[in-house]
Amino acid sequence: DVQLSESGGGLVQPGGSLRLSCATSGFTFKTSAMSWVRRAPGKGLEWVSATSGASSRTYYAESVKGRFTIFRDNSQNVLYLQMSNLRADDSAMYYCARERNYGDFDYWGQGTLVTVSS
Amino acid sequence: DIQMTQSPSTLSASVGDRVTITCRASQSISNWLAWYQLKPGKAPKILIYKASFLETGVPSRFSGSGSGTEFTLTIDNLQPDDLGTYFCQQFYKYPGNFGPGTTVEI
Repeated sequence: DVQLSESGGGLVQPGGSLRLSCATSGFTFKTSAMSWVRRAPGKGLEWVSATSGASSRTYYAESVKGRFTIFRDNSQNVLYLQMSNLRADDSAMYYCARERNYGDFDYWGQGTLVTVSS
Repeated sequence: DIQMTQSPSTLSASVGDRVTITCRASQSISNWLAWYQLKPGKAPKILIYKASFLETGVPSRFSGSGSGTEFTLTIDNLQPDDLGTYFCQQFYKYPGNFGPGTTVEI
C-alpha cells in the first residue's frame, strides 16, 4: 500500500521557520518526483515546490522562492520542506504528493496544517 | 502563465443526479488535464488524467471529456460520498497549476 504522511505543521509567528516532513512507503521513492502543494483556507490548490527523483533538481513557486527549500532523504524515503521567513499568507494545509511523468499527482498525503500568526 | 477557471464555484445536487463541472484554460493545453477530489480530513484523490482517462479504482460514474481549452467532469448517479471539492489541473506547462475548485453539496 502506498502511504504518504506529513508532519511538522503548527502555529508559528511571522518571520519564523518550520520544517515539514513527508514520510513515504509503498513505492520507489528515490526515482519519484515529489511535490508540495498547499491550500489556504477558502482558497484553491497552489503548487509550492518540487524535486525530481534521480537528479534531485528543485523547483519553486515565485511566492516561496528564496524562503522555502525542498530536499529529500532517499535513504529514509522522506521528503522535506524547510520554510523560513514565514508570512501570514503562507498559512495553509500543506500536502506532499508524488508526481507522475506527465506532471499530475497520483498519490497524496492527508496534509499538515501551518498557521502563521502572532 | 496558463490560467485555469472552473464553473460553477458551488453546486447543490441530490443523490442520483448527474452533475457537470466545467474547467477552462486560458490557452490550449491539448488533453493535459487532471481532475482531483478533496474531502475534509482526507488525502486528495486523482479521478481523471489526460482529460478522459479514469484513474484505477475510481468509480465509473466519474468521467471526463474535452480537449484544447474546455473540459468537463461528469458525475453520474451522484452518491453521498461524492460531496467535496473538485479541482482541475493543467500539466501542459510545468508546473501544473490548478483551477479554483468547485464544491459539491449533496
